[in-house]
Amino acid sequence: NAGVTQTPKFRVLKTGQSMTLLCAQDMNHEYMYWYRQDPGMGLRLIHYSVGEGTTAKGEVPDGYNVSRLKKQNFLLGLESAAPSQTSVYFCASRALALGAGVYNEQFFGPGTRLTVL
Amino acid sequence: LAKTTQPISMDSYEGQEVNITCSHNNIATNDYITWYQQFPSQGPRFIIQGYKTKVTNEVASLFIPADRKSSTLSLPRVSLSDTAVYYCLVVPWPGSSASKIIFGSGTRLSIRP
Repeated sequence: NAGVTQTPKFRVLKTGQSMTLLCAQDMNHEYMYWYRQDPGMGLRLIHYSVGEGTTAKGEVPDGYNVSRLKKQNFLLGLESAAPSQTSVYFCASRALALGAGVYNEQFFGPGTRLTVL
Repeated sequence: LAKTTQPISMDSYEGQEVNITCSHNNIATNDYITWYQQFPSQGPRFIIQGYKTKVTNEVASLFIPADRKSSTLSLPRVSLSDTAVYYCLVVPWPGSSASKIIFGSGTRLSIRP
């Protein structure tokens, strides 16, 4: 199993350009998450999904859109990139809890390093 | 969601025991306490989680007092490879409506020879 994979690994954009980051997981997890991490900072939640066809806003959703058309994929879109969106983007997935007292950890991808000039 | 507070940074030496304390005064009855570790240029990885008292695994121990308003991650006999950022999270009971998982700023642990 590959776990959580992210495409691309690196990208440089010019201000105003658009792009889509792809996250894929092969663990049949229900929950998926997008975080951003600025240099020297912690992770901030952008958007998340609790199942196919559903999405919800996190802490810092502005400037991003997401889609979860297939259970295994979670896409993060930047419609008009800004220098403030320069960051490392991490995707994570998590299994649906099957009962009380069961904690299911998040599994993270390797990250996408995005620079907006 | 309960907010967590932990030291920004800590330093220690190889072979020492390191304890990182996290405060979560507003923890709810159904919340779990969870710790993740992040190495540079990698995504975080799960270390340990608990609800109350003490939990131990092959990597660390987690101590949670009866009031659950704080928790302490204990790393026994650290090595240089334990240099990382450690995040304390309060995670809602699985299956609840609150599926958000929020990371704070973490504690940057530096181990010296």
